[in-house]
Amino acid sequence: AAGVIQSPRHLIKEKRETATLKCYPIPRHDTVYWYQQGPGQDPQFLISFYEKMQSDKGSIPDRFSAQQFSDYHSELNMSSLELGDSALYFCASSRPRDGRDDEQFFGPGTRLTVL
Amino acid sequence: GNSVTQMEGPVTLSEEAFLTINCTYTATGYPSLFWYVQYPGEGLQLLLKATKADDKGSNKGFEATYRKETTSFHLEKGSVQVSDSAVYFCALSANAGGTSYGKLTFGQGTILTVHP
Repeated sequence: AAGVIQSPRHLIKEKRETATLKCYPIPRHDTVYWYQQGPGQDPQFLISFYEKMQSDKGSIPDRFSAQQFSDYHSELNMSSLELGDSALYFCASSRPRDGRDDEQFFGPGTRLTVL
Repeated sequence: GNSVTQMEGPVTLSEEAFLTINCTYTATGYPSLFWYVQYPGEGLQLLLKATKADDKGSNKGFEATYRKETTSFHLEKGSVQVSDSAVYFCALSANAGGTSYGKLTFGQGTILTVHP
């Protein structure tokens, strides 16, 4: 079965550079979530989209922005990168409906290293 | 706000031992509860879930029961294997107006190591 695809899998950037992470949800999934997992930490919710509109926002820095496109893929844009942005970034997708399965399916993650 | 608290780890067991990882939560309304597993270098995989009080989620020999009275969702397995070595995360999803959806709030994670 198709899974969530994230690209790139690994990314190395310098401080103050920009980075773009991409997420391709499972076909027919209309909701995308972004999470950030620092070393030895639990995943922290950043932002989510439903039907191409932002549906919720968590602890996402102002330097980050994201959007969901007409084909439901999503991109997380990160500018003025800081050392503390080094983390594993997960994307998850789901297809929530009233009273039905709300399971989020996670991608393999993008490991961002800021030097 | 919502929060999840897991027992402090890491947990080290011998093969075939009994496993319990405690998880308690704080949430408004009636959240859905999940256990996710993360193997080294991989993403998060859903292990099991429960969407209402007294539901029992089960998968691959793991079980957890949604206890509203104690706000708990403890993970158990009767006989662990070396291949169960991973990080286990308890999580909840806010339930709004009967529609279960929303961001996941995770616990701190528990590292499980099983020795032969």
